[in-house]
Amino acid sequence: DAKTTQPTSMDCAEGRAANLPCNHSTISGNEYVYWYRQIHSQGPQYIIHGLKNNETNEMASLIITEDRKSSTLILPHATLRDTAVYYCIVGYSGGGADGLTFGKGTHLIIQP
Amino acid sequence: ETGVTQTPRHLVMGMTNKKSLKCEQHLGHNAMYWYKQSAKKPLELMFVYSLEERVENNSVPSRFSPECPNSSHLFLHLHTLQPEDSALYLCASSLWTGYEQYFGPGTRLTVT
Repeated sequence: DAKTTQPTSMDCAEGRAANLPCNHSTISGNEYVYWYRQIHSQGPQYIIHGLKNNETNEMASLIITEDRKSSTLILPHATLRDTAVYYCIVGYSGGGADGLTFGKGTHLIIQP
Repeated sequence: ETGVTQTPRHLVMGMTNKKSLKCEQHLGHNAMYWYKQSAKKPLELMFVYSLEERVENNSVPSRFSPECPNSSHLFLHLHTLQPEDSALYLCASSLWTGYEQYFGPGTRLTVT
């Protein structure tokens, strides 16, 4: 059973904000929401994670709904280099010994 | 250098060769991982080390042999590989075993 669902693909104009949604309706109370991206033929890149409060770093913002059943990753000013597959995963902060499991993710295409 | 580095970036080897992949992390992390990513397949966890001790071995064939001499270095020794082992091999590290992992650029391996 997939723990998260994401749209298969999205387009966004360069310079605009890219908003990537993720549903995780079965998330447990202690599970975090993590976002990664993978640019073609490169290693995955950690972006951000959060538990219940909104989070922001130099790459992106993460908005988590109050019921924690969904979240949105926001890239505030998308550039062509942000074209990648974006993965939303949920898990316990110390649970990485079983490895990261990426689903199909969202292929974000930034249009010039 | 910063982050996680991997060498070589590309490797072509015959089925009877022996080669090694090297990973080095400069983040002061205590956990390191090997993943395999085949074309159009999700990430597959191979090995996990925490404080130089192997904590996970995901039923990987014995032709893959990991080595973690210290918390900054991780090797994957390869021998008598099969063509289906051709893939992108990714190294990652995290402060402790967890979901916030930082990946290297990967080694693109082709077995002929």
